[in-house]
Amino acid sequence: GENVEQHPSTLSVQEGDSAVIKCTYSDSASNYFPWYKQELGKRPQLIIDIRSNVGEKKDQRIAVTLNKTAKHFSLHITETQPEDSAVYFCAAIVGGFKTIFGAGTRLFVKA
Amino acid sequence: ETGVTQSPTHLIKTRGQQVTLRCSSQSGHNTVSWYQQALGQGPQFIFQYYREEENGRGNFPPRFSGLQFPNYSSELNVNALELDDSALYLCASSLRSDGFDEQFFGPGTRLTVL
Repeated sequence: GENVEQHPSTLSVQEGDSAVIKCTYSDSASNYFPWYKQELGKRPQLIIDIRSNVGEKKDQRIAVTLNKTAKHFSLHITETQPEDSAVYFCAAIVGGFKTIFGAGTRLFVKA
Repeated sequence: ETGVTQSPTHLIKTRGQQVTLRCSSQSGHNTVSWYQQALGQGPQFIFQYYREEENGRGNFPPRFSGLQFPNYSSELNVNALELDDSALYLCASSLRSDGFDEQFFGPGTRLTVL
């Protein structure tokens, strides 16, 4: 069945360092891969997304890469700041409508 | 913040009862998806409605049902509540266009089943 695996489950970095979160998906029909940030007690918010016909996308300090052959995609945050601390979820869209989320990565950025 | 609202914010029910959760989509959106997010886990897809029709369903039993109204607001109904149904229930609205539709989440309804 459809599955998205996300690693690591917890990530602690020093302010200014980079953070990398990796995801693997199972359904080769997946064609859209959004990333969400969820702060404690708040709703998930889209931070970046990538379509299957693109290998990399960047938005200021955030970048996402996609390897369709390996079914891997990753989130890269550079120059991390304390306000980046949150839970990050990767997701894969299957069949144009079914969003499968990873289990989440809790990122701690230490000042 | 998005224009998606949900009610109620919190709800406490007992096992076996029924519950209805409500979602008001962002203006102009015609698609709504519902998710269950257990504590410490990622959201799990329950189902999606597009123009008042169920468009797809995740691995949830039939006691989870929904409706979408002509104004694109939506309801999630859960019958015969079980303890494991305790979770945050999120709805997300989008405007179906090319299949790469950004979803805007509501703040969620936290359901506790005792």
